Amino acid sequence: SYELTQPPSVSVSPGQTARITCSGDALPKKYAYWYQQKSGQAPVLVIYEDSKRPSGIPERFSGSSSGTMATLTISGAQVEDEADYYCYSTDSSGNHTGVFGGGTKLTVL
Amino acid sequence: QVQLQESGPGLVKPSQTLSLTCTVSGGSISSGSYYWSWIRQPAGKGLEWIGRIYTSGSTNYNPSLKSRVTISVDTSKNQFSLKLSSVTAADTAVYYCARVSGSYDWYFDLWGRGTLVTVSS
Repeated sequence: SYELTQPPSVSVSPGQTARITCSGDALPKKYAYWYQQKSGQAPVLVIYEDSKRPSGIPERFSGSSSGTMATLTISGAQVEDEADYYCYSTDSSGNHTGVFGGGTKLTVL
Repeated sequence: QVQLQESGPGLVKPSQTLSLTCTVSGGSISSGSYYWSWIRQPAGKGLEWIGRIYTSGSTNYNPSLKSRVTISVDTSKNQFSLKLSSVTAADTAVYYCARVSGSYDWYFDLWGRGTLVTVSS
């Protein structure tokens, strides 16, 4: 089955740049999406189609994708950005299957 | 604006069938080319996609759950539903319903708040 791989944790100080990676064999052909989930809340879409930002999402959130790796970058991370981040994509086998990465806990302190 | 709300029993006995409903408000479930989806999250763990349905009734399921899952839609009630059979403690999770956007590449652009389902005798 298709898998997306993320690091379990990333830690930065406030104001630093946080980068969270997501690797998957189908990412050269399929878009990556990124969700932010704060404790006890539903996930919120922060990046779609590799690099687009939904309305209302701060400009410090950006995304990129190259080859089999997608990256979520938070430039000047703030304390309120501390959350779990999940990448998401779909498989390219034609089975119409959605897959989440295992999630990355971002600590900002 | 469109909102989604999950509802159903919070406690299900092992071997029984888990049943949840998602009610779509603020818009018609049939408007736009949207699929509708279920996603779950065990406590302290990651997100798992369960399946999706179009208003025509066309479905796609996670292969790991396919043998136990049925997703249906009732456009007259603006609802879609999840049934998961033969549940065990491993099915204990927060269950989210979500709206699906996109076609070749598809994703979840709107989520419900989630409902906790515990499997226990």
